[in-house]
Formats: sequence, C-alpha cells, structure tokens
Amino acid sequence: DAKTTQPNSMESNEEEPVHLPCNHSTISGTDYIHWYRQLPSQGPEYVIHGLTSNVNNRMASLAIAEDRKSSTLILHRATLRDAAVYYCILRDKNEKLTFGTGTRLTIIP
Amino acid sequence: DGGITQSPKYLFRKEGQNVTLSCEQNLNHDAMYWYRQDPGQGLRLIYYSQIVNDFQKGDIAEGYSVSREKKESFPLTVTSAQKNPTAFYLCASSIRTAGVSFHQPQHFGDGTRLSIL
Repeated sequence: DAKTTQPNSMESNEEEPVHLPCNHSTISGTDYIHWYRQLPSQGPEYVIHGLTSNVNNRMASLAIAEDRKSSTLILHRATLRDAAVYYCILRDKNEKLTFGTGTRLTIIP
Repeated sequence: DGGITQSPKYLFRKEGQNVTLSCEQNLNHDAMYWYRQDPGQGLRLIYYSQIVNDFQKGDIAEGYSVSREKKESFPLTVTSAQKNPTAFYLCASSIRTAGVSFHQPQHFGDGTRLSIL
C-alpha cells in the first residue's frame, strides 16, 4: 500500500480553522484519499474522502493538490469536540484500511 | 438510528478459553470487517466479508475465526490459539457498489476491549 506521512501532533485554538496536512508522494492513479478520526476508546469515524477534486461535506473540506501527492483536511471552525487523532489513508483496490499513527489534534479553549 | 453495535464493551478471557465478540449492523451493508488495535497503534485487519456465507483472511487472521450466516451479523471468535489477544477490537461495515467496497467509507462500532485474566 502507498504510504502517507502526517505530523505527529498539532494544536489549534477553538473557533479557528485547522489545516491538517498529509503527504502521499507515492500515490497511484486509482488511490482514493480517505480521512478518519478517532477519539479515545471509540471506533474511528469517517470524515471525508476524495480522488482528484476538492470535496466538501458537513464535517470538513478536503483539498487535494493538483499532482495528488499531498492533501489537506480543513476543519473550518474547530470546536473542543474536534480534538482527536486524525488519520489520512490511501485506498486502492484493497479492502482494508491501513492506518498509520495519525495526527493528534489538540484544541485550545 | 442505523449503526453498528458491538458487544460486550469489555471482555475477559481465561487461558485456553475461546471467546466470541458480537457485531451487528442495521445499515443494510454488504461488507463487514474486523480490526485489531493495540495501544498507540493503527488498525490491523483480521477478517472481512463481502457477502453472506463468504469471508477472507486479513493480515493477522491466525488465532481468530469468523462466520457470516446473516447479512447483519459478523461475529469474531478469539481462540485459545491466539497467544496475545489483549487488544481493542473494532468491527466496521460498508456498502458495495458495482461489486466492490474499497472506495466506500467504513462505519465503525465502538469496539470491544479484550483482556486476559
């Protein structure tokens, strides 16, 4: 599976936008970019996914670089409930989700 | 509300004992998955099933068994052959379109934490 690289941790102030980066320089043309987040002692929660174009949903936006070698998850207005570990995952014709260690996001009140 | 229910939330296993973790979904999803998560680590796939009465091994299937007799249920048995079963177990499901599910999001339950007595 193609690998992703994320910062280990980030901090953001409450009610400000958060930009979570992900590098995936070995991405292939059929890889989808998925983002999940996980709170302690809970199952991961799907956030958003995309292939080539930027995507928006009620939770977040996904900005995908033109060469697809990087992407950014954007939380438009962070709340304390957004504090979690965020995982950037590539999926090709493979059933499994390969989780790395993700980015631990801390929200400062 | 539709969702995935895992039970029990906490489970203890004695040496030499088999234990079964329950996973039920009412999302009408065809595909179901079992993952294992160790502290500070990502998820590793144990087994998955794309359709009733069919399932495939994931990366760490040794010491585990599953069945898929009903669309909504995908129980996982941790056998005595699994020598290090202490972990957080997560069940997930997803829809299939055009016969595949790899590009669809997976929906997770809240997990079962298994420990050894």
